[in-house]
Amino acid sequence: GAGVSQSPRYKVAKRGQDVALRCDPISGHVSLFWYQQALGQGPEFLTYFQNEAQLDKSGLPSDRFFAERPEGSVSTLKIQRTQQEDSAVYLCASIKGEGSGYTFGSGTRLTVV
Amino acid sequence: AQSVTQLDSHVSVSEGTPVLLRCNYSSSYSPSLFWYVQHPNKGLQLLLKYTSAATLVKGINGFEAEFKKSETSFHLTKPSAHMSDAAEYFCVVTSGNKLVFGAGTILRVKS
Repeated sequence: GAGVSQSPRYKVAKRGQDVALRCDPISGHVSLFWYQQALGQGPEFLTYFQNEAQLDKSGLPSDRFFAERPEGSVSTLKIQRTQQEDSAVYLCASIKGEGSGYTFGSGTRLTVV
Repeated sequence: AQSVTQLDSHVSVSEGTPVLLRCNYSSSYSPSLFWYVQHPNKGLQLLLKYTSAATLVKGINGFEAEFKKSETSFHLTKPSAHMSDAAEYFCVVTSGNKLVFGAGTILRVKS
């Protein structure tokens, strides 16, 4: 597609529920990133894929967070047993290659109640 | 580790007056620096980037930024604010393949 597509746009989850957030990057973009943006803060790095390989997951806040990109295109960020502190906007970005510009999706706003 | 500090959380200007959004960076090597803008409920949009070529970088919508190594600064400026510039602005530095964002500056433009 023309841009990075994220779904759903909004998600309300009850505490303890599992959620899955989807990112569809620009076709042909090798690298994909997930960021978490809490209210009133700048985005913070979660994890990074190059093709299907997860090369860096140092930003994942706990083992309840899991990301995958099995075929090197679409990626899913899964959060198990959601907590209120997981409420944030989750942003996905893709780049064609190292040194290329990042294209961000519009994000998924997760609210845990 | 690479980091950026945005010196103002909020800036308010009148329409038609200059804009200055301040950013200082910390980097152990020659950094790549960016400014992104985020309008409410919209995705992040790249305004401009510095990658060790010209120190004065021109971006979209009349914005520009100057890389000053001696001051470790990368301030964003625009000669004349427009109402449509009201948004949140992020100064960003690369750290390996990752982007490290500042806390953001909310720009308010008064008519």
